[in-house]
Amino acid sequence: KNQVEQSPQSLIILEGKNCTLQCNYTVSPFSNLRWYKQDTGRGPVSLTIMTFSENTKSNGRYTATLDADTKQSSLHITASQLSDSASYICVVSAGKTSYDKVIFGPGTSLSVIP
Amino acid sequence: DTAVSQTPKYLVTQMGNDKSIKCEQNLGHDTMYWYKQDSKKFLKIMFSYNNKELIINETVPNRFSPKSPDKAHLNLHINSLELGDSAVYFCASSRGPRTTSRSGELFFGEGSRLTVL
Repeated sequence: KNQVEQSPQSLIILEGKNCTLQCNYTVSPFSNLRWYKQDTGRGPVSLTIMTFSENTKSNGRYTATLDADTKQSSLHITASQLSDSASYICVVSAGKTSYDKVIFGPGTSLSVIP
Repeated sequence: DTAVSQTPKYLVTQMGNDKSIKCEQNLGHDTMYWYKQDSKKFLKIMFSYNNKELIINETVPNRFSPKSPDKAHLNLHINSLELGDSAVYFCASSRGPRTTSRSGELFFGEGSRLTVL
């Protein structure tokens, strides 16, 4: 069964600290993995995309890693800011047919406090 | 300029009513989607259109009927609303239907929060 799990469910950190969010997936055949950020009351916005051959991708203070062997990804946030408070959603695309399957994780809710 | 815009942002209505949500994208994308985000924050695909043609129709009650008059617009009409329909509905678009490609990035609207009383 195609599934995406994320941990922790929620996280509170102090401003300026680093944190790492986890994503485990059982999706086949794997195509790519994206991390989306969803601010409260807004739609999700893509942060990074990684394909099978890529094991790290950075976007400013966000660094995503992918281990296709263990089917795990992580999103590391450096020097957190209050504006990083949001839900972070791991999204995995599967399939090589004309219309592909996109599986969303439940998200990790991050709160950055002063 | 808003890339994917949907209206209304909030909708409060009584059970049994019929309501519509409209969506427009100005990104020149070929593919548009409707997603439902429930109270547990899971995003679930409902429908997808590619160039006005329905390509994904997940297990959704037939009270939900999408309509795509052109590739820049995708509307969602809901008949006989039920309490369980309360959720946030997101419209999204992508350059093409192949989410396995880099052009498969989804661009979401701000969401329409539907509350059924």
